Amino acid sequence: EAQVTQNPRYLITVTGKKLTVTCSQNMNHEYMSWYRQDPGLGLRQIYYSMNVEVTDKGDVPEGYKVSRKEKRNFPLILESPSPNQTSLYFCASSTDYEQYFGPGTRLTVT
Amino acid sequence: GENVEQHPSTLSVQEGDSAVIKCTYSDSASNYFPWYKQELGKRPQLIIDIRSNVGEKKDQRIAVTLNKTAKHFSLHITETQPEDSAVYFCAASPYYGNNRLAFGKGNQVVVIP
Repeated sequence: EAQVTQNPRYLITVTGKKLTVTCSQNMNHEYMSWYRQDPGLGLRQIYYSMNVEVTDKGDVPEGYKVSRKEKRNFPLILESPSPNQTSLYFCASSTDYEQYFGPGTRLTVT
Repeated sequence: GENVEQHPSTLSVQEGDSAVIKCTYSDSASNYFPWYKQELGKRPQLIIDIRSNVGEKKDQRIAVTLNKTAKHFSLHITETQPEDSAVYFCAASPYYGNNRLAFGKGNQVVVIP
Protein backbone atom coordinates (compact mmCIF):
# COMPACT_ATOMS: atom_id res chain seq x y z
CA GLU A 1 0.00 0.00 0.00
CA ALA A 2 1.32 3.41 -1.04
CA GLN A 3 1.73 5.56 2.02
CA VAL A 4 3.53 8.26 3.93
CA THR A 5 4.22 7.54 7.58
CA GLN A 6 5.21 9.87 10.38
CA ASN A 7 6.40 9.21 13.88
CA PRO A 8 5.54 10.05 16.52
CA ARG A 9 1.90 10.99 15.97
CA TYR A 10 1.70 12.91 19.21
CA LEU A 11 4.49 14.49 21.22
CA ILE A 12 4.59 16.70 24.28
CA THR A 13 8.00 18.08 25.08
CA VAL A 14 9.70 20.91 26.92
CA THR A 15 11.44 23.99 25.61
CA GLY A 16 14.98 23.33 24.43
CA LYS A 17 14.87 19.55 24.25
CA LYS A 18 15.96 18.44 20.80
CA LEU A 19 13.53 16.26 18.91
CA THR A 20 13.17 14.57 15.55
CA VAL A 21 9.98 13.75 13.69
CA THR A 22 10.51 11.02 11.15
CA CYS A 23 8.84 10.77 7.76
CA SER A 24 9.02 7.89 5.34
CA GLN A 25 7.39 7.18 1.98
CA ASN A 26 7.26 3.99 -0.05
CA MET A 27 6.28 5.48 -3.40
CA ASN A 28 9.79 6.28 -4.66
CA HIS A 29 8.87 9.96 -4.93
CA GLU A 30 11.65 12.43 -5.49
CA TYR A 31 9.86 15.35 -3.88
CA MET A 32 9.17 15.59 -0.16
CA SER A 33 8.02 18.47 2.03
CA TRP A 34 7.23 19.45 5.58
CA TYR A 35 4.30 21.69 6.48
CA ARG A 36 2.92 23.08 9.67
CA GLN A 37 -0.79 23.72 10.13
CA ASP A 38 -2.02 26.32 12.57
CA PRO A 39 -5.61 27.55 13.10
CA GLY A 40 -6.42 30.39 10.75
CA LEU A 41 -3.07 30.16 8.97
CA GLY A 42 -3.57 27.13 6.75
CA LEU A 43 -0.67 25.00 5.61
CA ARG A 44 2.73 26.63 5.51
CA GLN A 45 5.73 24.95 3.98
CA ILE A 46 8.76 24.60 6.25
CA TYR A 47 11.28 22.82 4.03
CA TYR A 48 11.20 20.82 0.87
CA SER A 49 13.48 18.41 -0.92
CA MET A 50 13.71 17.68 -4.61
CA ASN A 51 15.95 14.65 -4.24
CA VAL A 52 18.58 13.01 -2.05
CA GLU A 53 20.90 15.64 -0.56
CA VAL A 54 18.87 18.46 -2.18
CA THR A 55 16.84 20.53 0.28
CA ASP A 56 15.64 24.11 0.41
CA LYS A 57 13.78 26.46 2.69
CA GLY A 58 10.07 26.95 2.43
CA ASP A 59 8.12 29.85 3.87
CA VAL A 60 8.73 29.26 7.60
CA PRO A 61 12.10 27.49 8.04
CA GLU A 62 13.32 29.26 11.18
CA GLY A 63 13.97 26.87 14.05
CA TYR A 64 13.88 23.74 11.89
CA LYS A 65 16.38 21.53 10.11
CA VAL A 66 15.93 18.69 7.66
CA SER A 67 18.06 16.09 5.96
CA ARG A 68 17.57 13.81 2.98
CA LYS A 69 20.16 11.08 3.05
CA GLU A 70 17.86 8.46 1.56
CA LYS A 71 15.11 8.89 -0.97
CA ARG A 72 12.41 7.44 1.27
CA ASN A 73 13.17 9.39 4.47
CA PHE A 74 12.90 13.08 5.26
CA PRO A 75 13.20 13.77 9.01
CA LEU A 76 12.33 17.12 10.59
CA ILE A 77 14.65 18.23 13.38
CA LEU A 78 13.92 20.80 16.04
CA GLU A 79 17.25 21.52 17.70
CA SER A 80 15.81 23.71 20.46
CA PRO A 81 12.01 23.66 20.38
CA SER A 82 10.09 26.67 21.60
CA PRO A 83 6.38 27.08 22.48
CA ASN A 84 5.70 28.89 19.17
CA GLN A 85 6.52 25.62 17.41
CA THR A 86 3.49 23.99 18.96
CA SER A 87 1.57 22.93 15.88
CA LEU A 88 0.28 20.12 13.69
CA TYR A 89 3.00 18.96 11.32
CA PHE A 90 2.48 17.17 8.03
CA CYS A 91 5.05 15.48 5.90
CA ALA A 92 4.23 15.01 2.22
CA SER A 93 5.75 13.29 -0.74
CA SER A 94 4.75 14.21 -4.23
CA THR A 95 4.71 13.48 -7.88
CA ASP A 96 4.46 16.40 -10.26
CA TYR A 97 0.71 16.39 -9.76
CA GLU A 98 -0.23 15.41 -6.23
CA GLN A 99 1.02 15.77 -2.69
CA TYR A 100 0.46 12.68 -0.54
CA PHE A 101 0.28 13.77 3.06
CA GLY A 102 1.25 11.74 6.08
CA PRO A 103 -1.16 11.38 9.01
CA GLY A 104 0.27 14.34 10.90
CA THR A 105 2.23 14.85 14.12
CA ARG A 106 0.70 16.96 16.83
CA LEU A 107 3.52 18.63 18.74
CA THR A 108 3.14 20.54 21.98
CA VAL A 109 6.11 22.42 23.41
CA THR A 110 5.69 23.61 26.99
CA GLY B 1 6.66 34.82 -3.08
CA GLU B 2 3.21 33.66 -4.03
CA ASN B 3 0.30 34.78 -1.85
CA VAL B 4 -2.98 32.88 -2.02
CA GLU B 5 -6.19 34.15 -0.42
CA GLN B 6 -9.47 32.29 0.02
CA HIS B 7 -13.00 33.66 0.40
CA PRO B 8 -15.20 33.18 2.33
CA SER B 9 -13.53 31.67 5.39
CA THR B 10 -16.66 29.78 6.39
CA LEU B 11 -19.52 28.69 4.17
CA SER B 12 -22.76 27.03 5.26
CA VAL B 13 -25.03 25.48 2.65
CA GLN B 14 -28.19 23.42 2.69
CA GLU B 15 -27.81 19.86 1.54
CA GLY B 16 -28.42 19.70 -2.19
CA ASP B 17 -27.41 23.30 -2.84
CA SER B 18 -24.19 24.38 -4.54
CA ALA B 19 -21.09 25.74 -2.82
CA VAL B 20 -18.51 28.01 -4.41
CA ILE B 21 -15.13 28.90 -2.93
CA LYS B 22 -12.98 31.50 -4.58
CA CYS B 23 -9.22 31.95 -4.35
CA THR B 24 -7.00 34.72 -5.61
CA TYR B 25 -3.27 34.53 -6.20
CA SER B 26 -0.59 37.13 -6.66
CA ASP B 27 2.13 35.62 -8.86
CA SER B 28 1.21 35.76 -12.54
CA ALA B 29 3.79 33.03 -13.19
CA SER B 30 1.77 30.46 -11.23
CA ASN B 31 0.67 27.69 -13.51
CA TYR B 32 -0.72 24.92 -11.32
CA PHE B 33 -3.74 25.19 -9.00
CA PRO B 34 -4.83 22.22 -6.87
CA TRP B 35 -7.61 21.94 -4.32
CA TYR B 36 -7.26 19.82 -1.20
CA LYS B 37 -9.98 18.61 1.15
CA GLN B 38 -9.30 18.00 4.81
CA GLU B 39 -11.91 16.24 6.91
CA LEU B 40 -11.86 16.70 10.65
CA GLY B 41 -8.83 15.00 12.19
CA LYS B 42 -7.53 13.72 8.88
CA ARG B 43 -4.84 14.60 6.40
CA PRO B 44 -5.42 16.85 3.37
CA GLN B 45 -6.22 15.00 0.15
CA LEU B 46 -6.21 16.23 -3.44
CA ILE B 47 -9.69 16.44 -4.94
CA ILE B 48 -9.12 18.31 -8.18
CA ASP B 49 -6.50 20.43 -9.90
CA ILE B 50 -6.13 22.62 -12.95
CA ARG B 51 -3.24 23.86 -15.05
CA SER B 52 -2.94 27.31 -16.50
CA ASN B 53 -3.59 26.19 -20.07
CA VAL B 54 -7.10 25.03 -19.10
CA GLY B 55 -10.02 27.26 -18.13
CA GLU B 56 -12.26 24.68 -16.51
CA LYS B 57 -12.12 21.12 -15.27
CA LYS B 58 -14.90 18.93 -13.93
CA ASP B 59 -15.01 15.68 -12.00
CA GLN B 60 -18.49 14.47 -11.11
CA ARG B 61 -19.94 16.96 -8.61
CA ILE B 62 -16.87 19.15 -8.35
CA ALA B 63 -15.41 21.58 -10.84
CA VAL B 64 -12.68 24.18 -10.87
CA THR B 65 -12.53 27.30 -13.02
CA LEU B 66 -9.52 29.49 -13.64
CA ASN B 67 -9.36 33.11 -14.74
CA LYS B 68 -5.71 33.94 -15.37
CA THR B 69 -6.39 37.54 -16.30
CA ALA B 70 -8.05 38.24 -12.98
CA LYS B 71 -5.75 35.80 -11.13
CA HIS B 72 -8.48 33.88 -9.45
CA PHE B 73 -9.77 30.33 -9.46
CA SER B 74 -12.83 28.79 -7.89
CA LEU B 75 -14.06 25.44 -6.62
CA HIS B 76 -17.66 24.55 -7.37
CA ILE B 77 -19.45 21.74 -5.55
CA THR B 78 -22.91 20.88 -6.81
CA GLU B 79 -25.63 18.86 -5.05
CA THR B 80 -23.78 19.10 -1.76
CA GLN B 81 -23.95 16.19 0.66
CA PRO B 82 -23.08 15.96 4.37
CA GLU B 83 -19.80 14.22 3.51
CA ASP B 84 -18.73 17.38 1.68
CA SER B 85 -18.39 19.08 5.07
CA ALA B 86 -14.68 19.74 5.49
CA VAL B 87 -11.97 22.36 5.20
CA TYR B 88 -10.95 23.07 1.63
CA PHE B 89 -7.54 24.48 0.74
CA CYS B 90 -6.60 26.01 -2.54
CA ALA B 91 -2.99 26.31 -3.59
CA ALA B 92 -0.87 27.73 -6.36
CA SER B 93 2.55 26.90 -7.69
CA PRO B 94 4.76 29.17 -9.77
CA TYR B 95 7.00 26.27 -10.64
CA TYR B 96 6.46 23.34 -12.87
CA GLY B 97 5.20 20.53 -10.72
CA ASN B 98 3.92 20.27 -7.23
CA ASN B 99 6.83 20.70 -4.91
CA ARG B 100 6.60 24.38 -4.09
CA LEU B 101 2.96 25.01 -3.29
CA ALA B 102 1.60 28.11 -1.60
CA PHE B 103 -1.62 27.24 0.23
CA GLY B 104 -4.50 29.47 1.14
CA LYS B 105 -5.73 29.55 4.73
CA GLY B 106 -8.64 27.23 4.09
CA ASN B 107 -12.43 27.41 3.93
CA GLN B 108 -14.69 25.59 6.34
CA VAL B 109 -17.68 24.23 4.43
CA VAL B 110 -20.63 23.05 6.48
CA VAL B 111 -23.41 21.18 4.72
CA ILE B 112 -26.63 21.35 6.71
CA PRO B 113 -28.82 18.25 6.31
